[in-house]
Amino acid sequence: QAQLQESGPGLVKPSQTLSLTCTVSGASVSSGSYYWGWIRKPAGKGLEWIGRISHSGSTNYNPSLRSRVTLSLDTSRDQFSLKLTSVTAADTAVYFCAREEASPGLYNYGMDVWGQGITVTVSS
Amino acid sequence: EIVMTQSPGTLSVSPGETATLSCRASQSVRSNLAWYQHKPGQAPRLLIYGVSTRATGIPARFSGSGSGTEFTLTINSLQSEDFADYYCQQYYNWPPWTFGQGTKVEVK
Repeated sequence: QAQLQESGPGLVKPSQTLSLTCTVSGASVSSGSYYWGWIRKPAGKGLEWIGRISHSGSTNYNPSLRSRVTLSLDTSRDQFSLKLTSVTAADTAVYFCAREEASPGLYNYGMDVWGQGITVTVSS
Repeated sequence: EIVMTQSPGTLSVSPGETATLSCRASQSVRSNLAWYQHKPGQAPRLLIYGVSTRATGIPARFSGSGSGTEFTLTINSLQSEDFADYYCQQYYNWPPWTFGQGTKVEVK
């Protein structure tokens, strides 16, 4: 059974870069059936989709974050990562990684496996 | 961007009763809609995809319906473990995928 686990610093200074990694176990990020995504939840607010990366490395980003976000894949370690530059207090949130089973134009079965989330605070 | 609007914001229900949650899309998402359950400190859980298909391991008391722009999640015979936040999400028009703001189901 697939499991995902986020890791990274819990505190980032304003204007710096937030870097998180999601480690996948029980599945392979190289699988052609899945996308690997990031979602965040600020306190008291709803879920916000950040972006996703496919097994081949193609990416889709939320337009509101596109200029600051980079997703990458490490198939040798079954990990994928998020980098968010020039962070502000508005980027303080719980960050989740998730697996999405989809094939564009054919099917999408939703985000079926999620990590527990990691709290990231942006503060000096 | 498709805006998803959920109602009500908070739903107070007694255990054993039925909860009905609504989700409206600002434009048609056809059948590309999912529901998630989230409890604080836990990973969100996929309940429903494709409007009405239950994800693996989801009890039959959870059901989804609707089409186009209006969708409903129904939870029959609410159990103690069902009190949580619920989010709808569209995956028809991207980027981005968008979520509703959530409905909190609390004990009455």
